Amino acid sequence: DSGVTQTPKHLITATGQRVTLRCSPRSGDLSVYWYQQSLDQGLQFLIQYYNGEERAKGNILERFSAQQFPDLHSELNLSSLELGDSALYFCASSAVTSGEAPSTDTQYFGPGTRLTVL
Amino acid sequence: AQKITQTQPGMFVQEKEAVTLDCTYDTSDQSYGLFWYKQPSSGEMIFLIYQGSYDEQNATEGRYSLNFQKARKSANLVISASQLGDSAMYFCAMTPLWGYQKVTFGTGTKLQVIP
Repeated sequence: DSGVTQTPKHLITATGQRVTLRCSPRSGDLSVYWYQQSLDQGLQFLIQYYNGEERAKGNILERFSAQQFPDLHSELNLSSLELGDSALYFCASSAVTSGEAPSTDTQYFGPGTRLTVL
Repeated sequence: AQKITQTQPGMFVQEKEAVTLDCTYDTSDQSYGLFWYKQPSSGEMIFLIYQGSYDEQNATEGRYSLNFQKARKSANLVISASQLGDSAMYFCAMTPLWGYQKVTFGTGTKLQVIP
């Protein structure tokens, strides 16, 4: 058990709908990362938050958005869902990074949310 | 930009034998970290081992060791004494050590351990 929790574990929805995925980082971790893993795209970095602020953006669609709350949990919102959004969505957390110093922090992954869009 | 290449889509190994999973990388960063993760069929991503680009010694964690050859830009994972529970996908990943930790993953190698 990595200490990172994600809910729900599975989500089935229809095209055009909107869903919210939730992540709670390990105790004490300030950074949260979101990843999408699909069969054709592999594991793709979506976005990173550090202590409530967005710090890095990857291949995240405009239909997707995320935020990190004061209690450090994070939510990933996916809207206008398409069939191609079906994937395993991971949240990971690490103790840093502020980006202002070299960091060797490891990212620990949650169990993932499997999203199926029908 | 960073790139990770795992050229072995699938591998077989006999139980109790050692196996090496290949990983090469490309980056313009001077300082970076290299990771290996294991993803069993249940789906979770499990951190295995870390190597910093400035580390002079190869990292080891139990039965896992990382064969780091900086000049060749390779970071191969060696699993000694394979066990049936080692059957899984293995991902190599890297991140710059300065700046925000945007991690790049390889496409993975599926390892199957044969009894």
